[in-house]
Amino acid sequence: GENVEQHPSTLSVQEGDSAVIKCTYSDSASNYFPWYKQELGKRPQLIIDIRSNVGEKKDQRIAVTLNKTAKHFSLHITETQPEDSAVYFCAASSGGGADGLTFGKGTHLIIQP
Amino acid sequence: GAVVSQHPSRVICKSGTSVKIECRSLDFQATTMFWYRQFPKQSLMLMATSNEGSKATYEQGVEKDKFLINHASLTLSTLTVTSAHPEDSSFYICSALLEGAGGYTFGSGTRLTVV
Repeated sequence: GENVEQHPSTLSVQEGDSAVIKCTYSDSASNYFPWYKQELGKRPQLIIDIRSNVGEKKDQRIAVTLNKTAKHFSLHITETQPEDSAVYFCAASSGGGADGLTFGKGTHLIIQP
Repeated sequence: GAVVSQHPSRVICKSGTSVKIECRSLDFQATTMFWYRQFPKQSLMLMATSNEGSKATYEQGVEKDKFLINHASLTLSTLTVTSAHPEDSSFYICSALLEGAGGYTFGSGTRLTVV
C-alpha cells in the first residue's frame, strides 16, 4: 500500500517568513495530493491540492509543487501570519481518487510573532 | 459546497457498550465514504471504505466485527464501535468522495471516550 512520509514534524518560523513542508510517497499510482490544515479537535480543512498531471499550483500565499519522478511534493507558505499556526497534513490517493487518503504524520507549524 | 454532517460530535460510553456514529451527505449523493481514526497528536488513519449497497472494505489491522459499517443509502453511512474499550477512545472522522470534481469532504468528527 501507499506510504507517505512528511517532514519536519515541527516547524517554527518568524512571522512574515516562508515555511516549507515536504512529503514523499511510495506508490507511483498515486495521482492526487491534497494538503490539509487541522486545528485541535476540528476536521481537516483542504488548503490546496494537486493532481499528477500538474507540476505546480498556487493560491495566493500557498503553493504546492509535485515531482512525480522523485515522488515528492511540497507545501510552500509565504508571508506567514499568526493564523497560519496549526498542524498541516499532506496526503496521497491512488485509484483515480476512488481510494481513501494516506496521510503523512503531520507538521506542527508555529509562527513566532 | 458539499457538506457531510457527522453526529454525535462527542460521546462518552462505558466499556463493553456500543456506539453508533452517523455521517450524512446533505446536498449530494455519496457512493463512497471513508472512515478514519485519529489518536491524540497523531495522523488520520484510514480504517475502512464503505460503498453504498455493498460490504465495506477494511484496512489491514482493523477488526471488521468490532467496527461495523453500514452504507445503506446514498446519503448515510454509519460506523458502530461494538464492545468499546478505553483503547478505542479516539477521534473518528468520516469523509465522502466527491464525484466529478474529485477530492474529499470531511465530517466534523466524533470524539469518543470510553470509560
